[in-house]
Amino acid sequence: DGGITQSPKYLFRKEGQNVTLSCEQNLNHDAMYWYRQDPGQGLRLIYYSQIVNDFQKGDIAEGYSVSREKKESFPLTVTSAQKNPTAFYLCASKPGLMNTEAFFGQGTRLTVV
Amino acid sequence: QKEVEQDPGPLSVPEGAIVSLNCTYSNSAFQYFMWYRQYSRKGPELLMYTYSSGNKEDGRFTAQVDKSSKYISLFIRDSQPSDSATYLCAMSVSRGSTLGRLYFGRGTQLTVWP
Repeated sequence: DGGITQSPKYLFRKEGQNVTLSCEQNLNHDAMYWYRQDPGQGLRLIYYSQIVNDFQKGDIAEGYSVSREKKESFPLTVTSAQKNPTAFYLCASKPGLMNTEAFFGQGTRLTVV
Repeated sequence: QKEVEQDPGPLSVPEGAIVSLNCTYSNSAFQYFMWYRQYSRKGPELLMYTYSSGNKEDGRFTAQVDKSSKYISLFIRDSQPSDSATYLCAMSVSRGSTLGRLYFGRGTQLTVWP
């Protein structure tokens, strides 16, 4: 089945540690996105990529990094510089820039302990 | 001012009620308007989208866009307990430097009780 797979579903991290969230899609989509969702705040864009080997910062990129070495993969690293990393992280993809429908993964819940 | 404003609720209605969900926006360049439904601890899924102004109907759901007022609505008729979820509005432009980005509202939490 085609779709977007995020792993792990739940992740615990100690303060001061970097952690990488996985996002893989087999939809052959060019555009991929990372959002952060906090209670009452909706989805905020962290990073997005329109094509392999290219990505742009979103509204809250500080403390995060990404890579896009393969079309199907867009991992997000939450670094120790991110001051409040506990949140629900969502990965999404679209066929291209002009497409309206974004397909979302099931999310990763990150908790800093 | 956020580009997209949405009342987070919560909204609680009895089964069979008509539900009205709304968003306002400030960027006149938005041309695509979407509604996503998100069940608890799941990723959002696209419910409906419209281009520019007008109405669009799909079963029990109707989406309306009023660009002159910068106001969009989603109506749910004959609401069911299975409609209980968070509803997110989203918008995007059709050209320019922010092409491809989606701008989301905060989401409205809806509960339909039997």
